[in-house]
Amino acid sequence: ILNVEQSPQSLHVQEGDSTNFTCSFPSSNFYALHWYRWETAKSPEALFVMTLNGDEKKKGRISATLNTKEGYSYLYIKGSQPEDSATYLCALRDDKIIFGKGTRLHILP
Amino acid sequence: EAQVTQNPRYLITVTGKKLTVTCSQNMNHEYMSWYRQDPGLGLRQIYYSMNVEVTDKGDVPEGYKVSRKEKRNFPLILESPSPNQTSLYFCASTPLQFMGYGYTFGSGTRLTVV
Repeated sequence: ILNVEQSPQSLHVQEGDSTNFTCSFPSSNFYALHWYRWETAKSPEALFVMTLNGDEKKKGRISATLNTKEGYSYLYIKGSQPEDSATYLCALRDDKIIFGKGTRLHILP
Repeated sequence: EAQVTQNPRYLITVTGKKLTVTCSQNMNHEYMSWYRQDPGLGLRQIYYSMNVEVTDKGDVPEGYKVSRKEKRNFPLILESPSPNQTSLYFCASTPLQFMGYGYTFGSGTRLTVV
């Protein structure tokens, strides 16, 4: 079973601070790495899909990088806002799409 | 509007009573999948389908069945539900060929088996 690890499991960040968290996976061939944002009582929504080593994606204050050779991806949030509070999931896609357990981000006012 | 429609949103049933959770997408996606979400375990894949009449087991298929007779529909069937199938279920779809797309998720079905 392809194993996708996310760390930390939970994170408390002061409003206005920047933060980042990690998704680790076996450095083997796969089609794509996904990042999702999952707010409480809603469904996960896709943030980024990255396919190439060295890929960098950005959407507003959120960005992500991918290193397939060493098997990790980072998600960065710059200047955290209360609306960033959510669980952030990464997933690895080959024939199956396997999710990590997520990083639960709490933004403190 | 492009979406994945899952029904019902909430369901309480008794042990052994067959049930079906429906999933339909209007985006012509080839790949569809079912997940269950349990505290501390994250989203675990139950079954997936790469196209009509093509289905494969995910990581936790025991106790579930699926079918893919049409491209848009991918129902999840619990022939004899048990309390350990109490969970939050999500259906999701994505194009098969275009790897730059993530999943579109349904709104979830919260199932309780008593």
